[in-house]
Amino acid sequence: DAMVIQNPRYQVTQFGKPVTLSCSQTLNHNVMYWYQQKSSQAPKLLFHYYDKDFNNEADTPDNFQSRRPNTSFCFLDIRSPGLGDAAMYLCATSRLGGAFFGQGTRLTVV
Amino acid sequence: QKEVEQNSGPLSVPEGAIASLNCTYSDRGSQSFFWYRQYSGKSPELIMFIYSNGDKEDGRFTAQLNKASQYVSLLIRDSQPSDSATYLCAVGDAGGTSYGKLTFGQGTILTVHP
Repeated sequence: DAMVIQNPRYQVTQFGKPVTLSCSQTLNHNVMYWYQQKSSQAPKLLFHYYDKDFNNEADTPDNFQSRRPNTSFCFLDIRSPGLGDAAMYLCATSRLGGAFFGQGTRLTVV
Repeated sequence: QKEVEQNSGPLSVPEGAIASLNCTYSDRGSQSFFWYRQYSGKSPELIMFIYSNGDKEDGRFTAQLNKASQYVSLLIRDSQPSDSATYLCAVGDAGGTSYGKLTFGQGTILTVHP
């Protein structure tokens, strides 16, 4: 059974139109992450939460925001997607260091 | 800036051979070390983790850590075509204020040919 679930798997959005990606987990892990991965590149950390303690990476664009209303759910909001934001967005959870990833959301910006 | 570097690859080995993947990291305070496998178009899958110097074996996989040299490696014995994937090294700083934050290397593409 999937333990970190991302929806949708594929998302197409228009240039500048806000979009929200969602992630849920059944592992009850207190750490959740959002990574961005572009083709042939390493996953790049955007945000992470330790419980409700939010940590924003210094180079994460202001265009990206995140919400974690409870332990199980986390959202990534992209306020005004640009063509450069097309990527795979990966949600992951962790309890003691190692991160377990969801299946990812492939975002296309048209 | 914390950096994680992997041998550039791509790496091609024949079926049944040993594949050796290498990774170095810049932050001496790193606490935890992970290897992920990523198939094309899929998300990374955790295959090994190691926290202490030395070797750790799990089936056909062996992770090796040398903190003095800031070096971690992954050996895959009896390589199979199904092992063909990108292997990502990740280094964690669990225990600090940024609990469990992982920094990834750029990945090494492994191809196992029959």
